[in-house]
Amino acid sequence: EAQVTQNPRYLITVTGKKLTVTCSQNMNHEYMSWYRQDPGLGLRQIYYSMNVEVTDKGDVPEGYKVSRKEKRNFPLILESPSPNQTSLYFCASSLIGDSNQPQHFGDGTRLSIL
Amino acid sequence: AQSVTQPDIHITVSEGASLELRCNYSYGATPYLFWYVQSPGQGLQLLLKYFSGDTLVQGIKGFEAEFKRSQSSFNLRKPSVHWSDAAEYFCAVGGGYGGSQGNLIFGKGTKLSVKP
Repeated sequence: EAQVTQNPRYLITVTGKKLTVTCSQNMNHEYMSWYRQDPGLGLRQIYYSMNVEVTDKGDVPEGYKVSRKEKRNFPLILESPSPNQTSLYFCASSLIGDSNQPQHFGDGTRLSIL
Repeated sequence: AQSVTQPDIHITVSEGASLELRCNYSYGATPYLFWYVQSPGQGLQLLLKYFSGDTLVQGIKGFEAEFKRSQSSFNLRKPSVHWSDAAEYFCAVGGGYGGSQGNLIFGKGTKLSVKP
């Protein structure tokens, strides 16, 4: 089954404790992206990647890091989490082709930073 | 600046009634337009997309949307709403450079409630 898998689905942690949210897709997609969703703000892009070893900032990259060492994985790293990073996070992936390809979304990761 | 506006934060309709969710965009180039639906606790599922050609596009679950360039709009419609359509709906616009969506811009969403 084609899917985007995020782990963990839920996490409560404390300020300053490094954490990583993993994202893996099994569709051989070149493009992957991270979003955060906050009430009243919709989805905002954090980082995206066009292919292995190619990453770029989205609209709200501050406080986040990503890496793309393998095509299927695109982890989101919070080196020193702060309460304002409490949010619902989504990973997405898509093909890159002659026309825009729709993004496939994971089920989300709800992070609470205390 | 590039933006997507969904004017209605929350809409309530009766089951069986028609539905129209509004979406207006501001984009400097040819827009690629999408509607996604998010059920509680779930990720986003693509309903339909517009790239070019026929301005009325059909999607899944009986939804359709019409692209009106003169009004910078891409409204989502359904002739008869079912209780299972209760969810949050997001309009999004992308630039399509290099064939990828790159920085996809989302509206803030419209929450749909369905009365029995």
